[in-house]
Amino acid sequence: DAGVTQSPTHLIKTRGQQVTLRCSPKSGHDTVSWYQQALGQGPQFIFQYYEEEERQRGNFPDRFSGHQFPNYSSELNVNALLLGDSALYLCASSPRASGGVGQYFGPGTRLTVL
Amino acid sequence: AQSVTQPDIHITVSEGASLELRCNYSYGATPYLFWYVQSPGQGLQLLLKYFSGDTLVQGIKGFEAEFKRSQSSFNLRKPSVHWSDAAEYFCAVGQPNTGFQKLVFGTGTRLLVSP
Repeated sequence: DAGVTQSPTHLIKTRGQQVTLRCSPKSGHDTVSWYQQALGQGPQFIFQYYEEEERQRGNFPDRFSGHQFPNYSSELNVNALLLGDSALYLCASSPRASGGVGQYFGPGTRLTVL
Repeated sequence: AQSVTQPDIHITVSEGASLELRCNYSYGATPYLFWYVQSPGQGLQLLLKYFSGDTLVQGIKGFEAEFKRSQSSFNLRKPSVHWSDAAEYFCAVGQPNTGFQKLVFGTGTRLLVSP
């Protein structure tokens, strides 16, 4: 049983560009959350998707947007990249039936903005 | 708003010695509580979680944590540390009964294990 998978592993972009990160949830999980982890910090919640809709959102600007597909996989899009967007982006999945608790994390995508 | 405090940025423990990592939370009721471990360049692995019931929770890799409501704490313990335990440890809280969970994390404690 594959866990949460994310692609790509690493990504380098320049300021002003746009980026798309991808996540496939653990088998049997239908809820996907995204977190940003800056260097030396704990992860910060970006948003959560269930049934292809954004259900909760953290304190992130509209430059951060997402999508969930019918197979429960998800994308995180960031527009107009800033240097401060450099971070490890983590995807987590959980089953809605559990109230979304017990989230399982993927290995993350390391985004570097130059 | 929920918040999590991990007061120790770094802790160094000798191999074989016991370990306690501190976590304090701020929340209006009893939250869901989690400990995660992160090895360098890796994602987060769930060590253990507390939802309700017995306040002493057993996790993987020989870790346990105790929920103390009176102290708003959820400290992580291990009786004998192994060199492979060196990693970053994060405490997190979630909101019960809200259906859609977001986790609020502390800033982490980096564990160094000396020979």
